[in-house]
Amino acid sequence: QSVLTQPPSVSAAPGQKVTISCSGSSSNIGNNYVSWYRQLPGTAPKLLIYDNNKRPSGIPDRFSGSRSGTSATLGITGLQTGDEADYYCGAWDSSLSALGFGGGTKLTVL
Amino acid sequence: EVQLVESGGGSVQPGGSLRLSCAASGFTFSNYGMNWVRQAPGKGLEWVSYIDSSSSTLYYTDSVKGRFTISRDNAKNSLYLQMNSLRAEDTAVYYCARSPRAATGTSFDYWGQGALVTVSS
Repeated sequence: QSVLTQPPSVSAAPGQKVTISCSGSSSNIGNNYVSWYRQLPGTAPKLLIYDNNKRPSGIPDRFSGSRSGTSATLGITGLQTGDEADYYCGAWDSSLSALGFGGGTKLTVL
Repeated sequence: EVQLVESGGGSVQPGGSLRLSCAASGFTFSNYGMNWVRQAPGKGLEWVSYIDSSSSTLYYTDSVKGRFTISRDNAKNSLYLQMNSLRAEDTAVYYCARSPRAATGTSFDYWGQGALVTVSS
């Protein structure tokens, strides 16, 4: 059972926008920073967003992150077929003294 | 170019031991905290352990406490995970991952390709 809760799947058409939610509690998202990762099949995860809404160098501004209360959201605009992947959120949990991930969301670009 | 290369994975019987290594290059290893993250076949990501740059702060997920030990050798630019009393549920691909200095929160900016650990009789 994951510390953070994500929808198992989302879908949208090419060119459209999609959002992926990540729900937690005051011990994780509510008081710690959120990061987001994309994992293509058979490859290692890649950092998309850190500290709630910052993009690492090389990540296009099609990707955005936000946090409100004990929830966080990843937004992807201008969807491409290459965006089909599993997406994970993560946040430190102060009660567990451990990093928690969401269960992952599979994005399908129809 | 930042590179993280894991080694030491393989098959082991329940109760056995393995030691994973992660060779780092392309950055000043001694300046960064490092992590192990695992992924069971067909499952999601699970953070396993963290070690800070000087080995003074260590964290573990509850399921591996007392069985796994994270360590590093900054002179050899290497990260290790000693895994003892292995169980079937430890079967996973194990990734080493770097904690970025630019981040305030916990995140992982570079990942290795992963090492498969299979625990089975």
